[in-house]
Amino acid sequence: DQQVKQNSPSLSVQEGRISILNCDYTNSMFDYFLWYKKYPAEGPTFLISISSIKDKNEDGRFTVFLNKSAKHLSLHIVPSQPGDSAVYFCAASDRNTGTASKLTFGTGTRLQVTL
Amino acid sequence: DAGVTQSPTHLIKTRGQQVTLRCSPKSGHDTVSWYQQALGQGPQFIFQYYEEEERQRGNFPDRFSGHQYPNYSSELNVNALLLGDSALYLCASSLVGPGETQYFGPGTRLLVL
Repeated sequence: DQQVKQNSPSLSVQEGRISILNCDYTNSMFDYFLWYKKYPAEGPTFLISISSIKDKNEDGRFTVFLNKSAKHLSLHIVPSQPGDSAVYFCAASDRNTGTASKLTFGTGTRLQVTL
Repeated sequence: DAGVTQSPTHLIKTRGQQVTLRCSPKSGHDTVSWYQQALGQGPQFIFQYYEEEERQRGNFPDRFSGHQYPNYSSELNVNALLLGDSALYLCASSLVGPGETQYFGPGTRLLVL
């Protein structure tokens, strides 16, 4: 049962344009969402997060949007840079369980930013 | 400030053997979580340790066990290895508390032959 889904395995965007990565979830108990970026041979690196009480969070070139009614979130990268080429994972957690919330991940989207 | 470190980086074992993977959390962190990432998949939660006790567990058999030491470092042990245990094993550390960001180490790549 895939509770967090990233339906696009890959995405190619030109440098300077906007990259939009999408994520859907099914578990209505999830109330905290995160995006991680992963380069080959490295662990996932935290990018940005959003709580379910918000619908948008910005950090520099990265913005995450949350649509709770649709159980959908997206990560916007503007402008995209070649160094953004990586695999992006969406993760979700229910903060009401446990000491530190366990993360449920999607399968990832490979972003390639071309020159 | 050292981030999360894991050892070894790579490991090759044969079916039926046992393996121990190690993790040192980021300085100041007291909670360690372990994840398994199979090829082409996202990381899957194995278990989490805080105050030297297993606090949460994912859908993994008892062959997967762990330990946390007083200095917050942690071990993941896998007994009776199966071919399907071949994966990248990631350790993440955080402060205790819901919503605390988890920071990942580079992982240990395990190949079971």
